[in-house]
Amino acid sequence: GAVVSQHPSRVICKSGTSVKIECRSLDFQATTMFWYRQFPKQSLMLMATSNEGSKATYEQGVEKDKFLINHASLTLSTLTVTSAHPEDSSFYICSATGTGGTDTQYFGPGTRLTVL
Amino acid sequence: KQEVTQIPAALSVPEGENLVLNCSFTDSAIYNLQWFRQDPGKGLTSLLLIQSSQREQTSGRLNASLDKSSGRSTLYIAASQPGDSATYLCAVNTGRRALTFGSGTRLQVQP
Repeated sequence: GAVVSQHPSRVICKSGTSVKIECRSLDFQATTMFWYRQFPKQSLMLMATSNEGSKATYEQGVEKDKFLINHASLTLSTLTVTSAHPEDSSFYICSATGTGGTDTQYFGPGTRLTVL
Repeated sequence: KQEVTQIPAALSVPEGENLVLNCSFTDSAIYNLQWFRQDPGKGLTSLLLIQSSQREQTSGRLNASLDKSSGRSTLYIAASQPGDSATYLCAVNTGRRALTFGSGTRLQVQP
């Protein structure tokens, strides 16, 4: 089956620093990648949708200047949390869909971000 | 705006019981519905995906049904085991390709 990886799996940073999270499709080309955020004991909320080679589409309430998304290739999307604050601490999960026309999404294992 | 609700929010059962998890959605114009399992601090494991034209899908001890017109899906788990303990998430695809998730049902199966 298709595999999506995320790196790092866990990151702890100081308030005010920036953190980059990578999402990679390992054995397929991902035309579209999605970034979700999950706060403790809550469900996943879509943050943004990114298509390879174009600007990401952000959901209402998500600051595009704070959460920078780059989808430069068909196998890699990155999410950069800029000037992170403790309220940004969350579980970030990416997913990807392939070029085959199927709507099946493949999820990464998630990245736990803790901002001190 | 699509909203997905899962009931109950939490469930604790003794090992061996059959159980049903419920999911409802407000907009019946969906492409598919998917059930996931999430272990604490982990990512998602896809369990079953039901296309809008289908009424149910089965995998091992799991059976998911879909009634699109009424906006409901159920996940049936037969002969529950302690290893089934996890949070179960229901998610619908309304054509935007991104998924709208419910808040999940936290299941605890007591040995």
